[in-house]
Amino acid sequence: NAGVMQNPRHLVRRRGQEARLRCSPMKGHSHVYWYRQLPEEGLKFMVYLQKENIIDESGMPKERFSAEFPKEGPSILRIQQVVRGDSAAYFCASGTEQETQYFGPGTRLLVL
Amino acid sequence: AQKVTQAQTEISVVEKEDVTLDCVYETRDTTYYLFWYKQPPSGELVFLIRRNSFDEQNEISGRYSWNFQKSTSSFNFTITASQVVDSAVYFCALRGASGTYKYIFGTGTRLKVLA
Repeated sequence: NAGVMQNPRHLVRRRGQEARLRCSPMKGHSHVYWYRQLPEEGLKFMVYLQKENIIDESGMPKERFSAEFPKEGPSILRIQQVVRGDSAAYFCASGTEQETQYFGPGTRLLVL
Repeated sequence: AQKVTQAQTEISVVEKEDVTLDCVYETRDTTYYLFWYKQPPSGELVFLIRRNSFDEQNEISGRYSWNFQKSTSSFNFTITASQVVDSAVYFCALRGASGTYKYIFGTGTRLKVLA
């Protein structure tokens, strides 16, 4: 049973470009969470999605960030017009309501 | 509001020493879950344990043990006879039993085990 998959594992962007991070949940999991880990810090919740619905986006920056989890395909975290402060590790986790969240390997975003 | 505090930023021990990582949490929920994750230098997050708020039994898994005390809102993690491979950042996390189930993470404790 494959775990949570994230790609790319590493992403380099120049300031002003767009970054797209993808997350495929574990089989049977319908809930996806995105977290951000800034250098030398803990993980901070960004957004919680179920298929085709955003349930809680209280941790998302108000501008430039968006997330989706379509009926088919992976969940996408999109960052428009990236800035240096967006450099971080972005983790996706999947689970069901009552289960532990299982984390993907993360995408390391570096903005030059 | 929910909060997790890991006051120890970094701990260094010599191999074979025992080490305890502290975790103190705050929540108004009567039912909640506590977790520990390990983040080795490779960067992934490895699930170690989940504990329900209504189960205060301590747990042991090999060299790892966890001490959950509701009275002091603590969920401490002890590694017995530490090994170099235990070197990592360890995160404690809290999740409510209702709402959106998001995790609240502590800032982590970096453990260095020296040979």
